[in-house]
Amino acid sequence: QQQVKQSPQSLIVQKGGIPIINCAYENTAFDYFPWYQQFPGKGPALLIAIRPDVSEKKEGRFTISFNKSAKQFSLHIMDSQPGDSATYFCAASGGAQKLVFGQGTRLTINP
Amino acid sequence: DAGVIQSPRHEVTEMGQEVTLRCKPISGHNSLFWYRQTMMRGLELLIYFNNNVPIDDSGMPEDRFSAKMPNASFSTLKIQPSEPRDSAVYFCASTYPGMNTEAFFGQGTRLTVV
Repeated sequence: QQQVKQSPQSLIVQKGGIPIINCAYENTAFDYFPWYQQFPGKGPALLIAIRPDVSEKKEGRFTISFNKSAKQFSLHIMDSQPGDSATYFCAASGGAQKLVFGQGTRLTINP
Repeated sequence: DAGVIQSPRHEVTEMGQEVTLRCKPISGHNSLFWYRQTMMRGLELLIYFNNNVPIDDSGMPEDRFSAKMPNASFSTLKIQPSEPRDSAVYFCASTYPGMNTEAFFGQGTRLTVV
């Protein structure tokens, strides 16, 4: 019930492509779904977050799509750049501030 | 604010030794989290505090691990005795009061137990 499953584990995309990272959850009490970005040697940092009352949220080149009935959400990166190469984590929480993280996706954007 | 501050950044210790990791949360934040990151298990929540009180320690792997938060500006995670399988990056994070707020992470402590 507490798991968040993330795929793929790793992803390689050419510059300008649109990498898509997917997550699925089971606990219907989750009501907050953030994505975190982590660069090597750094802690994760919040990238974008969504609540289940909307199906999509955009911030710059980053978009979250949310499907409440399927209990799935995904991150899309438009016009990807080599500087977007990082590890991306989806997460979920419900009520309390305790975040449950997915396993992470190591994204590489080739020039 | 300088963000969440963790020390040390790197720690190499011998099996059986006591290890203490330290965290200073962002001023004004009232919740503090300790996470462990490994390749195999990803980011695991070990314990979190709300207003200096431990709320959920179900992620603490075993009795060798303990955490304290004596005041709003300081927390420790102690491993005694340490084992090679404890090798990981340990992160501390803090959040503002309120539901579902952004977690701010420190830079982590890379622990190697040999």
